Amino acid sequence: EAEVAQSPRYKITEKSQAVAFWCDPISGHATLYWYRQILGQGPELLVQFQDESVVDDSQLPKDRFSAERLKGVDSTLKIQPAELGDSAMYLCASSPGQYNSPLHFGNGTRLTVT
Amino acid sequence: AQSVTQLGSHVSVSEGALVLLRCNYSSSVPPYLFWYVQYPNQGLQLLLKYTSAATLVKGINGFEAEFKKSETSFHLTKPSAHMSDAAEYFCAVSDLGAGGTSYGKLTFGQGTILTVHP
Repeated sequence: EAEVAQSPRYKITEKSQAVAFWCDPISGHATLYWYRQILGQGPELLVQFQDESVVDDSQLPKDRFSAERLKGVDSTLKIQPAELGDSAMYLCASSPGQYNSPLHFGNGTRLTVT
Repeated sequence: AQSVTQLGSHVSVSEGALVLLRCNYSSSVPPYLFWYVQYPNQGLQLLLKYTSAATLVKGINGFEAEFKKSETSFHLTKPSAHMSDAAEYFCAVSDLGAGGTSYGKLTFGQGTILTVHP
């Protein structure tokens, strides 16, 4: 079964440094999501792409976070500068985009900011 | 805006016992509802989904959930727990948005950690 690929699996960085996460969705999936999951909480949507366009980034802290999906396939989420409160699991998910399609999640990137 | 409340952050059962994980939703439109399972340091895996067809939904690994509009609930059950069911479970509601273009933006509950004792 096709999977959503994410890298790296784990990342440790010092505060004020820049960090980037990569996601490759299931082939053919038009919709891509980045979620942040703080320990002990449910995932929260950061940004949603439809092909290469952002359709929802209302919860993305735009002063330090950026996301792109230039060719409508893989995507990069960047944090600069990282803060201690950014420590979390960053999950990427994709969907074909049809009205009743579930999301398929990758295994996530566990970020620790020291 | 849609929201989900999962009652009980931790549930503990004995192997072979009934599993019941509670989920209540708030939605101004007929919702699409999902249950996902997450094992440690992994992503979320879909267990089952409700998309306005049958109110009793069967999923993988013997789990099922019943949509009750009058109670705004979508509780997850399994007749007999297995040790391998120990994980964290998330209920989620989908936001259709204007014209359906926002479909798939899931709002998750806080999660329920299921522990299964031998």
